[in-house]
Amino acid sequence: AQRVTQPEKLLSVFKGAPVELKCNYSYSGSPELFWYVQYSRQRLQLLLRHISRESIKGFTADLNKGETSFHLKKPFAQEEDSAMYYCALKESDSTLTFGKGTMLLVSP
Amino acid sequence: NAGVTQTPKFRVLKTGQSMTLLCAQDMNHEYMYWYRQDPGMGLRLIHYSVGEGTTAKGEVPDGYNVSRLKKQNFLLGLESAAPSQTSVYFCASRSYLDRGAYNEQFFGPGTRLTVL
Repeated sequence: AQRVTQPEKLLSVFKGAPVELKCNYSYSGSPELFWYVQYSRQRLQLLLRHISRESIKGFTADLNKGETSFHLKKPFAQEEDSAMYYCALKESDSTLTFGKGTMLLVSP
Repeated sequence: NAGVTQTPKFRVLKTGQSMTLLCAQDMNHEYMYWYRQDPGMGLRLIHYSVGEGTTAKGEVPDGYNVSRLKKQNFLLGLESAAPSQTSVYFCASRSYLDRGAYNEQFFGPGTRLTVL
């Protein structure tokens, strides 16, 4: 069974529109969740982690234990946000399980 | 600092050939990982290492072997390549230093491997 589910392979929005990339997880115990991003021709890099409760590049993500979700949100998308986004869950052996990823395309 | 580097960047193999991918990091990280990235499958962990001389299996270890003889290097070997191993391979490293939270994994640029 998938432990990290990203239901959308592709999300296409216009510049200035709100964005929500969905992530649901399956984990018993206290989860640690992350969003990683891969811009075109760049390395995969950490965008944010739930434990920090921070906003990076205008993105936020709140852990909802009741809904087992960690959706990534941004109120106004920019063209430079176009990238592949991966949700990741820390496992008990300290490895990360990644979702299948969502490609975000922001059109002008 | 170069961070995490991978060699080679591209490679084409014939079925049955062998090769070794090299990952090197200059951040003195204890943990190192090998992933493969396939369309529609995301990143899947092949093998990982929690320190020099130690390795462990990840989600998709079959057909691969690894070695961590030096702390800064993590090698991924394919003994007899198969077309199903056509993929982009990423290496990552992470510090063990306890900062009260799981530390960030730093990724290499990837190796694109095609097996014909």
